[in-house]
Amino acid sequence: NAGVTQTPKFQVLKTGQSMTLQCAQDMNHNSMYWYRQDPGMGLRLIYYSASEGTTDKGEVPNGYNVSRLNKREFSLRLESAAPSQTSVYFCASNPRDPYDSPLHFGNGTRLTVT
Amino acid sequence: KNEVEQSPQNLTAQEGEFITINCSYSVGISALHWLQQHPGGGIVSLFMLSSGKKKHGRLIATINIQEKHSSLHITASHPRDSAVYICAVPSGGSNYKLTFGKGTLLTVNP
Repeated sequence: NAGVTQTPKFQVLKTGQSMTLQCAQDMNHNSMYWYRQDPGMGLRLIYYSASEGTTDKGEVPNGYNVSRLNKREFSLRLESAAPSQTSVYFCASNPRDPYDSPLHFGNGTRLTVT
Repeated sequence: KNEVEQSPQNLTAQEGEFITINCSYSVGISALHWLQQHPGGGIVSLFMLSSGKKKHGRLIATINIQEKHSSLHITASHPRDSAVYICAVPSGGSNYKLTFGKGTLLTVNP
């Protein structure tokens, strides 16, 4: 039972480079989320997708784009990476919304932008 | 936006001690989450609760909706309980947005 799978685990980018973080869940969950975690701060929501075909901005969406490719997959794209995007990124999913059920997290992607 | 405060920020205990971690929030909520982040970085959901108390093994979570306060207790603590414990509450404005606390780093020494 894989749960939520994120790739890659680690990535180093130069300023201005682009990359896509991949996330897939095998639990048939409707909702998926991308968070970033920075030292001294709580997890912050970048984007979420309440269902296949929909995406919405979270607290810190600038500099990111997302795609809900199908019910299983939700990707996060950095078009032109900046040092301020150095962070640990977590994908999560749940059946409906956080009022309704707990979140299931991936293992995270540690991204460094130099 | 809901503000979340956790205390203490850091906690060191001896194996076997009873642990309490606190979470206070500013706006009334319908559900609160407790999460555990392992030293390796992975995050696991421990509890989601909207009233009263929940127990899972040696972990107990309580919530007082009127006081806007929740506690996570660990009985008979063990070194494997060493982790960061995070509470999260709905941010308001959307069912899908949570505000996360900064976490409490717990270290349990043998």
